[in-house]
Amino acid sequence: QKEVEQNSGPLSVPEGAIASLNCTYSDRGSQSFFWYRQYSGKSPELIMFIYSNGDKEDGRFTAQLNKASQYVSLLIRDSQPSDSATYLCAVNLGDFGNEKLTFGTGTRLTIIP
Amino acid sequence: KAGVTQTPRYLIKTRGQQVTLSCSPISGHRSVSWYQQTPGQGLQFLFEYFSETQRNKGNFPGRFSGRQFSNSRSEMNVSTLELGDSALYLCASSTGQGGTQYFGPGTRLLVL
Repeated sequence: QKEVEQNSGPLSVPEGAIASLNCTYSDRGSQSFFWYRQYSGKSPELIMFIYSNGDKEDGRFTAQLNKASQYVSLLIRDSQPSDSATYLCAVNLGDFGNEKLTFGTGTRLTIIP
Repeated sequence: KAGVTQTPRYLIKTRGQQVTLSCSPISGHRSVSWYQQTPGQGLQFLFEYFSETQRNKGNFPGRFSGRQFSNSRSEMNVSTLELGDSALYLCASSTGQGGTQYFGPGTRLLVL
């Protein structure tokens, strides 16, 4: 079983709709969860982080965490063509001294105008 | 505040050569982590340096090494290059307290 799993997609969503990206992780000790966006040929860019169970909203983005189910998701509301990218879920133990991020393979999202 | 910088941005090497990549973290950040990204394996953790000491290490052979200087700048070295080392090498900086990592633009290495 992979440590962090994501549906590789591609996921196609009409412009203006909600895009839902999902991620599961295997290490129950994981404490910190991150979503990065990566455009083709570019480096990952941080979108959101979440540490506590529940929802965290930032503009059009909402991260959801359920530690009991070992599940984290990212919702993108009012999807725009500029949201077309690969979205990477990353997890770490969140301890001081442990900076290792474990990444999923990413979900390729395409917003259709 | 300036972001993470990496040099060079592109490199072409031949098998058997060695290469050194450089990373300058965000001002005030003391932790630098290195990752390798390939289409087949995705993003994989190489190692992390904090206050000039390697604190975490991934599952890569000893040909991959690194160091960190007193100003937190870090270098990564790959010796005896193999074709499979062709990848995007990313460094990320953070405060070093298990928080958010910010990535540099990457160095794209092609081994022929």
